[in-house]
Amino acid sequence: SQQGEEDPQALSIQEGENATMNCSYKTSINNLQWYRQNSGRGLVHLILIRSNEREKHSGRLRVTLDTSKKSSSLLITASRAADTASYFCATAGGGKLIFGQGTELSVKP
Amino acid sequence: DAGITQSPRHKVTETGTPVTLRCHQTENHRYMYWYRQDPGHGLRLIHYSYGVKDTDKGEVSDGYSVSRSKTEDFLLTLESATSSQTSVYFCAISELTAGARDGYTFGSGTRLTVV
Repeated sequence: SQQGEEDPQALSIQEGENATMNCSYKTSINNLQWYRQNSGRGLVHLILIRSNEREKHSGRLRVTLDTSKKSSSLLITASRAADTASYFCATAGGGKLIFGQGTELSVKP
Repeated sequence: DAGITQSPRHKVTETGTPVTLRCHQTENHRYMYWYRQDPGHGLRLIHYSYGVKDTDKGEVSDGYSVSRSKTEDFLLTLESATSSQTSVYFCAISELTAGARDGYTFGSGTRLTVV
């Protein structure tokens, strides 16, 4: 069964707006990772946040982690059409990553 | 993706035939993984390897076997293909367990159709 669940399943915004995606999980984790997948391609690693971290930034990406609520969020600021993709959270535990079902983000020019 | 290649990229096969997918890496990473991706299910782990000849099952391993005889190659075999194994298969590699530092690097995928 899936560990992480993303919300919303789909998100449509205008260029320049911010996009927020959420991930909830069930069991304790070592770290949580976010990936992007463009249509028909492999996943690309975006950012990793460890269980003892609360927030992390990378360029236009901001990730938060709340281990008490077993949830994480990914914020993409000033979205661009090129950000259109599916975004997955993945939780690390037991020596492997378990992926959620993803959020489909559409950024309209 | 740089450092990891999957072959073939596309394959159509008949029900009941064995099929082998190959994942090849040039990064000398210890950990290798096979996932399948299906609509409504996201990515699900089939098998993974933590070293040469060291493999373990994931959550959807039934009907699949793997082998890793050298660091760079991780083979996934469908012993007798069924229509339910029609999917896109992704291989991934990582330097540390569960991508603990830099995450996974994924291949471009193999689209398998079982008819």
